[in-house]
Amino acid sequence: KAGVTQTPRYLIKTRGQQVTLSCSPISGHRSVSWYQQTPGQGLQFLFEYFSETQRNKGNFPGRFSGRQFSNSRSEMNVSTLELGDSALYLCASSKGQNTGELFFGEGSRLTVL
Amino acid sequence: AQKITQTQPGMFVQEKEAVTLDCTYDTSDPSYGLFWYKQPSSGEMIFLIYQGSYDQQNATEGRYSLNFQKARKSANLVISASQLGDSAMYFCAITYGGSQGNLIFGKGTKLSVKP
Repeated sequence: KAGVTQTPRYLIKTRGQQVTLSCSPISGHRSVSWYQQTPGQGLQFLFEYFSETQRNKGNFPGRFSGRQFSNSRSEMNVSTLELGDSALYLCASSKGQNTGELFFGEGSRLTVL
Repeated sequence: AQKITQTQPGMFVQEKEAVTLDCTYDTSDPSYGLFWYKQPSSGEMIFLIYQGSYDQQNATEGRYSLNFQKARKSANLVISASQLGDSAMYFCAITYGGSQGNLIFGKGTKLSVKP
C-alpha cells in the first residue's frame, strides 16, 4: 500500500514568487492536513481538507491557501513568498474519522532566498 | 486551549535499555486523541502510537507503549530495548477541535541512543 506522497521534495524560490505543493494521500483516505515546520515555531497546523471542503484552518495569513480535488489529492499554495516561509511542509492523510490513523508524507522542503 | 509540553529537549539512552519520553497536555475538549511521532533527520514523520481519551487500556505497538494517566494529563512514551535506529526527534501531539487532522504538537525530544 503506497504511503502519502508529496511533491516536490525540495524547491528553492525567491521572495515575491509563489509556490504550489502537492500531496497524494493514502488510497481510501479522504482527509488531508498540512503542517509547517520551522526551527523557531516548530510544527504548526495550516489547514485540513475533507471531501474537497476545508474543515479546519490554522492561524496563518491569507497568502497560504489550499484545495482538495475529487480524488482526495490536495495542493497548497503560498503566494508572495517571504523569507520566513522557508520551512518543511508536511502533509498528513487519514480516513477522516478519529481512528488514530494519521500518516505523514516525507515533506516538501522550501527555501526562500 | 490545547497545549502539549515536552520538558526534555534531549535525552541519551544506552542501547538495549528502556527509555521514557515525557509528555503532558492541556485540553478543553471532552474527547481527544494523543499521538506520538518519530522524526529522523530525513524529515519524515513516522507514526508510532495513538491513545484515545476514552480508551481504557494503555496503547502498545511493538516496542512502543504509551503510559496514559488521564487524571495527571500525561501521555509518556516508553521505548523498550532501545536500538541505534531509534535516535531521532520524538513529538507528542494532541487533537484539537475534535478532528484528528488538526494536531497541536509539542516542541519535541531529541533521543540519542549510545552503543
